[in-house]
Amino acid sequence: DGGITQSPKYLFRKEGQNVTLSCEQNLNHDAMYWYRQDPGQGLRLIYYSQIVNDFQKGDIAEGYSVSREKKESFPLTVTSAQKNPTAFYLCASSKGQQNPLTEAFFGQGTRLTVV
Amino acid sequence: SQKIEQNSEALNIQEGKTATLTCNYTNYSPAYLQWYRQDPGRGPVFLLLIRENEKEKRKERLKVTFDTTLKQSLFHITASQPADSATYLCALDSRTGGFKTIFGAGTRLFVKA
Repeated sequence: DGGITQSPKYLFRKEGQNVTLSCEQNLNHDAMYWYRQDPGQGLRLIYYSQIVNDFQKGDIAEGYSVSREKKESFPLTVTSAQKNPTAFYLCASSKGQQNPLTEAFFGQGTRLTVV
Repeated sequence: SQKIEQNSEALNIQEGKTATLTCNYTNYSPAYLQWYRQDPGRGPVFLLLIRENEKEKRKERLKVTFDTTLKQSLFHITASQPADSATYLCALDSRTGGFKTIFGAGTRLFVKA
């Protein structure tokens, strides 16, 4: 089945640690996105990528880093510079700007907690 | 500044009634607007897309309108059911700094039996 997979579902991070969230899609989508969702709030864009080996900062990129070495994969690293990383992280993909009138497909999310 | 606003207060309605959710935007010029459903602890799921030149779009019990003059979209669920209880998010395209999809905060809908 085609889809987008995030792992792990739950992640615990100690203060000062970097952690990496995985996002893989087999939909052959060009565009991939990372969003952060805090309780009672909407999705805030962290980073996005329209094509392999290229990505742009979203509204809240500080303390995060990404890579897009393969079309299928868009991992997000939450660095120790992110002061309040506890949140629900959502990865999405879409056909992108070549086919903008299509929807985004989301993974099931990773809930990150700092302990 | 650019904003997408949805009712922050939860909407409580009785089963069988029509639920109407509002999405307003400021300083965007979207070519289209989308609506998604999100259940607790899950990723959003796409429901409907409406283009800027379309006034209305329907899908089963769902109806979306898009008024680019008012900068507003309305999302209706007719004959609502308890299973419709969820958070509904609107989203639009932004081309500032590269093509991307921006989401509103969502409105929580509760349908009582």
